Amino acid sequence: EVQLVESGGDLVQPGGSLRLSCAASGFTFDTYWMHWVRQAPGKGLVWVADMSGDGIIIRYADSVKGRFTISRDNAKNTLYLQMNSLRAEDTAVYYCARDPQRAGEVDYWGQGTLVTVSS
Amino acid sequence: DIQMTQSPSSLSASVGDRVTISCRASESISTFLNWYQQKPGKAPKLLIYAASSLQSGVPSRFSGSGSGTHFTLTISSLQSEDFATYYCQQSYSSRTFGGGTKVEI
Repeated sequence: EVQLVESGGDLVQPGGSLRLSCAASGFTFDTYWMHWVRQAPGKGLVWVADMSGDGIIIRYADSVKGRFTISRDNAKNTLYLQMNSLRAEDTAVYYCARDPQRAGEVDYWGQGTLVTVSS
Repeated sequence: DIQMTQSPSSLSASVGDRVTISCRASESISTFLNWYQQKPGKAPKLLIYAASSLQSGVPSRFSGSGSGTHFTLTISSLQSEDFATYYCQQSYSSRTFGGGTKVEI
């Protein structure tokens, strides 16, 4: 069974940093692209970043470019999102998701982890 | 960046109704269009990929159509468990989601 479990969400002050983790199981992690998607309270879904299975290709949304870093440890089957220079508008539930490499969709999602940026 | 516009933003319907949700892309995305369903407090669920392919395990009352810039998600006979918010997503160039359509009773 495919499982994605996010962790690391917390309350952080503006300008602070946080690292999210996503532990994957039930599939061959290093053969899949992985994504981070966020959702501010009461708002819609926003794609944040993705990374190829080998970690070579990385893409970011303009809103997080230069502040967030996506990475992965294929030996630990874990995806990360390092978030620096956090702003109030980064407050959201952050989901990690798997890309089955068919048409660019994501087929499995984690349960999400809440990041709150506030003083 | 490719913008995705969904309409309507919300709709009211009854069990058994046929429901149609529209999604328009700001430029042609071929058939790189996916649909998700999200219920309150839950992660999204993939319904349709590549504009018209039904994800495994999704009921056949859900269908998708379209290509280029105009796409449609249709629920042929709305069931009580279908009351949720629906999002389209383009995967032609990076990723962008539409703003969502809330289907209410």
